[in-house]
Amino acid sequence: GDSVTQMEGPVTLSEEAFLTINCTYTATGYPSLFWYVQYPGEGLQLLLKATKADDKGSNKGFEATYRKETTSFHLEKGSVQVSDSAVYFCALPARQSGGGADGLTFGKGTHLIIQP
Amino acid sequence: NAGVTQTPKFRVLKTGQSMTLLCAQDMNHEYMYWYRQDPGMGLRLIHYSVGEGTTAKGEVPDGYNVSRLKKQNFLLGLESAAPSQTSVYFCATVLGGKRGELFFGEGSRLTVL
Repeated sequence: GDSVTQMEGPVTLSEEAFLTINCTYTATGYPSLFWYVQYPGEGLQLLLKATKADDKGSNKGFEATYRKETTSFHLEKGSVQVSDSAVYFCALPARQSGGGADGLTFGKGTHLIIQP
Repeated sequence: NAGVTQTPKFRVLKTGQSMTLLCAQDMNHEYMYWYRQDPGMGLRLIHYSVGEGTTAKGEVPDGYNVSRLKKQNFLLGLESAAPSQTSVYFCATVLGGKRGELFFGEGSRLTVL
């Protein structure tokens, strides 16, 4: 079935460092791809998305480009802040029987720790 | 505008006890989901609903039941809790036509002893 694989953490960086969190996917066709972020003690929030190949999603200084050649959707940020410390999830639409607006299949999450 | 509200936020149960988690949304979203989050496992879909009166199984439905009698509420029930159901449970909703753009509640942490 469709799945996503992302690097497991924790990833520890110093403030203002460059961030890359890798995500690769296995899917039939070219599904939309998503990054979600979970801050401590909170639910997940949509960070950015891309709906087709070569699209670039961006939000809050984060970017990710949908690359069908490498089946990847890596998350990047040029200069991280302590407030970016969180767990980041890569995701794609799940395939469930019965049709309808199915949920998402999530990667296992990458815990990012930014040190001052 | 509260968005997605889960109750309770914390609960401790003994093995064999039953309980119900309530998810309430005020955004008039058609689709609602229950996920569980476990260390090293990411989020896994338990059950979902595409509208009032309808429910369907997700990836890990065993040991859980759900109901959606009203559009704004999605209930997750554990009839006989087991230690393997110790987890953080998240409810999420999505507006029809906005596939993948989920709104999550803050989570309910359940411990089964």
